[in-house]
Amino acid sequence: DVKVTQSSRYLVKRTGEKVFLECVQDMDHENMFWYRQDPGLGLRLIYFSYDVKMKEKGDIPEGYSVSREKKERFSLILESASTNQTSMYLCASSSSAETQETQYFGPGTRLLVL
Amino acid sequence: QKEVEQNSGPLSVPEGAIASLNCTYSDRGSQSFFWYRQYSGKSPELIMFIYSNGDKEDGRFTAQLNKASQYVSLLIRDSQPSDSATYLCAVLTGGYNKLIFGAGTRLAVHP
Repeated sequence: DVKVTQSSRYLVKRTGEKVFLECVQDMDHENMFWYRQDPGLGLRLIYFSYDVKMKEKGDIPEGYSVSREKKERFSLILESASTNQTSMYLCASSSSAETQETQYFGPGTRLLVL
Repeated sequence: QKEVEQNSGPLSVPEGAIASLNCTYSDRGSQSFFWYRQYSGKSPELIMFIYSNGDKEDGRFTAQLNKASQYVSLLIRDSQPSDSATYLCAVLTGGYNKLIFGAGTRLAVHP
């Protein structure tokens, strides 16, 4: 079974803090994704990566950056947290070798920015 | 126009009935379509995917795809209270394996 883990289930941070969210997958997937999910808005793609050290902007990259130094790990960075970044953050991974390229999700990190 | 549209619900069905969840998409070039189930406070989990026109069955679940009408649906037979969740439709589109998600339909199965 694919396993995607995220470093924290719940985080509380203060405005202006730098926040790191970590995601690790154990299936040697090439592709990794960061989404945020807000009520009524569904999942929105922040950034994704299709290879080590590669990154692509998603639909809402503003205020975020990412790092992928190793294939299994994809980090999301909030450079200066703001209250409008309070959300559920979901990491996912997929393999380009699969015909359907199914994305598998981690358990999510619920971030509260005060 | 949203790229993937779903009725937000809630869709309320009695236990044992068929639940029908619908999704439309705007990109005619989309190739693969996914249904995820998400329980409250949890992350999405894949139910099934479909990429050919027609029906695909997996246990109590049937996905239906009509590319000409840009429409994909999920039928849940013999609905159970444990099926109560939000169902997300997702469409694989563009390059780099991007999934576009609908906002989800909340399903409530009552005894």
